Order: sequence, then structure tokens, then C-alpha cells
Amino acid sequence: EAGVTQSPTHLIKTRGQQATLRCSPISGHTSVYWYQQALGLGLQFLLWYDEGEERNRGNFPPRFSGRQFPNYSSELNVNALELEDSALYLCASSPGTGGWMNTEAFFGQGTRLTVV
Amino acid sequence: AQKITQTQPGMFVQEKEAVTLDCTYDTSDQSYGLFWYKQPSSGEMIFLIYQGSYDEQNATEGRYSLNFQKARKSANLVISASQLGDSAMYFCAMREVFGNEKLTFGTGTRLTIIP
Repeated sequence: EAGVTQSPTHLIKTRGQQATLRCSPISGHTSVYWYQQALGLGLQFLLWYDEGEERNRGNFPPRFSGRQFPNYSSELNVNALELEDSALYLCASSPGTGGWMNTEAFFGQGTRLTVV
Repeated sequence: AQKITQTQPGMFVQEKEAVTLDCTYDTSDQSYGLFWYKQPSSGEMIFLIYQGSYDEQNATEGRYSLNFQKARKSANLVISASQLGDSAMYFCAMREVFGNEKLTFGTGTRLTIIP
């Protein structure tokens, strides 16, 4: 069974540009979470999608946005890139709401975004 | 206030010894879940072990066990018989009933196993 897959693995962008990161959840999982991990720091929650809707977002500016498609895959868009957006962006999936307490989130390998 | 506190930025442990990674948490919920993840240098987050707030017994998964002390709000990870491959970052995380499903992570502990 395929795990959570993210693309691209690495992405280099210029300040001011837009970046699009993609995530495919494990088959059957309806919830997708996005996290930002800046160098040397822990994971900061960005966004949570479930059943195609944004359910919650973390303390990030509106230029961080995303969506979830009918097949439950997800995109994270970062507009007007700034140097401090350079980080590892991790996507995770879980079976969704209800009965979630003991269901861990399975993570992808991440997209390393570098803004120059 | 920090929801998850990991007070050990780095630890060095001799191979084959046991190691305890500390984690304390803060929540007013009665129902919550506690998780430990391992992050090797490749970046992927690997799930290790889970403890539910209502679980009376400490969780165990192979060489990993979770020392859950609810009254103290601590959930320390114990790794027995450490191996060189255990060298990685370790993150403690919590999921709350009213936390809108997200996992809240601590800042992590970098564990280095010395041969």
C-alpha cells in the first residue's frame, strides 16, 4: 500500500514568486494536514482539510492557502514568497473525523522549499 | 503557554543502553492522545507509539514504551537497548478533542547514539 506522497521533493523559488506543493494521502484517508518545519524548529500546523473543506488553519498569513480535491489529494499554495518561508513542508493524512483518537497521522517525506 | 514541552534539545547515549526522552503537556481536555514520532535526517516523520488519555496501561511497541503519568502530565518515551539507527530527532505530539484534530508538536530532542 502506498504511503503519503509529496511532490516535488525539492523546490527552489525566488522571493515574490508563488510555490505549489502537492500531497496524495493514503488510500481511504480523507483528512490531510499541512505542517511547516523551519530549520532547527518543530512542526508548526498550517492547514487541515477533510472531505474537501478547510477545517482549521494555523497562525499563518493568508498568502498560505490550499485546497483538497475530490480524490482527497491536496495542494498547498504559498504566494508572494519570502525568505523566511524556506522550510520543510510536511503533509500528513489520517482516516478523518470520528474514531480519530488513536489514529496516528501518517506523514509524507516532505517538500523542501528554498526561497532565494 | 506551551502545549508540549520537550526540555532536552540533545542527548548522547551509548549504544545498547536505554534512554528516556522527556515530554510534558498541557491541556484542559479529558480526552486526548499522545504520540511520539521519529524524524531521521531524511525528513520523514515516522510514527512510533501512541497513548490515549484513558488508557490505564503504558503503551509499548517493541523497544519503545511510553511512561505515562497523567497526574504529572508527562509522557516520556523510553527506548530500550538503543541502536545506532535510533539516532534522529524525536518529537512528542498531542491531539485534543477540542483541538480540531491537529497534532501539536514539541520542539524535539536530537538523540545521538554513540558506538
